[in-house]
Parts: sequence; C-alpha cells; structure tokens
Amino acid sequence: EAGVTQSPRYAVLQEGQAVSFWCDPISGHDTLYWYQQPRDQGPQLLVYFRDEAVIDNSQLPSDRFSAVRPKGTNSTLKIQSAKQGDTATYLCASSRDRPNTEVFFGKGTRLTVV
Amino acid sequence: AQSVTQPDARVTVSEGASLQLRCKYSYSATPYLFWYVQYPRQGLQLLLKYYSGDPVVQGVNSFEAEFSKSNSSFHLQKASVHWSDSAVYFCALSMRAGGYKVVFGSGTRLLVSP
Repeated sequence: EAGVTQSPRYAVLQEGQAVSFWCDPISGHDTLYWYQQPRDQGPQLLVYFRDEAVIDNSQLPSDRFSAVRPKGTNSTLKIQSAKQGDTATYLCASSRDRPNTEVFFGKGTRLTVV
Repeated sequence: AQSVTQPDARVTVSEGASLQLRCKYSYSATPYLFWYVQYPRQGLQLLLKYYSGDPVVQGVNSFEAEFSKSNSSFHLQKASVHWSDSAVYFCALSMRAGGYKVVFGSGTRLLVSP
C-alpha cells in the first residue's frame, strides 16, 4: 500500500511569493489533514477534510492560506503571499473516518521564506 | 478547549535506563490517545494507541503507555532504552468533531546517551 505522498519536498521563497503544496493520501482514506510544524514544535492543525468537505479550517490564516480537496482525493494547500513566519514543515496526513484509527503522515514539505 | 500538554521539552537518559515521557490531555469526553515518534528527516510514525480496555497498551519497539482517567494522563514508558530511540516523541488526542480531529502536543526530544 502506497503511503501519503507530498510534493515538493522543499521550497524556498522570498516574502510575498506564492507557493502550492500537493498531497496524495492513501487510497480509501476519506479524512485528510494539513498540519504546520514549525522547527522544534509539534504539528499544528491547519485544516481537515472529510471527502471533499472542509470540516474545520479555523486555524487556517484565511487571508493568505487556502486548501481544497475537490474530488475527495488529492489536496492542495496554497499560500498566497508568504511571510517569514510561514517558515515551517507542512505535513499532510490521512485516515479513515473511524474511531481510534491511525493517522498516516507524509514526509512533509519544508518551506523556507527569506 | 481540547488540548495535549507535554511538559518536558527535552529528556536525556543513559542507554539501558528506563524512560517515562509525560503527556496530559484535556478533553471532556472519552479520548482516543496516541503516541507518535519522529526520527530526523522522516515522517511521524505511530508507536501505540488507546481507546478503551486495559489502561496499559503495548506498542512497537517495546514501548508501552499507561492511561489514567483520574489524572488525565497518557505517559509513555520503556524499560530499557537504546541509542536508536533518540527522536522526538509526540502525544496526540483524537476527538469526534465532524470528522476525527487530531491534535498534538509540543513534543519531547529524547536523547539517549551512551
């Protein structure tokens, strides 16, 4: 079974530039999560979907961040105008919508904004 | 609000010594609890999980965790650590909120010294 795939693995931007991250979850997983993990901190949930619907995006900075999962499979997280404070690893994860189910993580995209 | 607290940012133990990494949670309903490990330049991997039943759960690599409802805790333990256990360990809480929302603690960096 293929794991969660993310691309790109690394990105370096100047402030004000835009970037998109792409995630392919494990086949059959209806729930997809995007986390932001600053250096030496725990993953912080930005948004999660069940199928194509956004369940919770309350921690997503809506003025510059957006996330979609149009067909309930792959997902894209976009930062419209990056800031130095966005420097972090962005993790995508997926799971089945069942209790006590494991969440599987991709290797992440390491973003540096200079 | 639901949260996970890992009070120890760094823990250093000698190889062969026993280990306990602390985790406290705040959640009014029955929690689903997890421990994940993150090795350098790798994704998060599940060590063990708990929902109900025996409060002591066994995981991979001889790790175990003990759930305490009265203390709102889910501490990770290992009887004898190996240098390869050096990594960052995250406690996580899953709660039903539309889908299954998974939140993480800030992590504990474990260093096993020879």
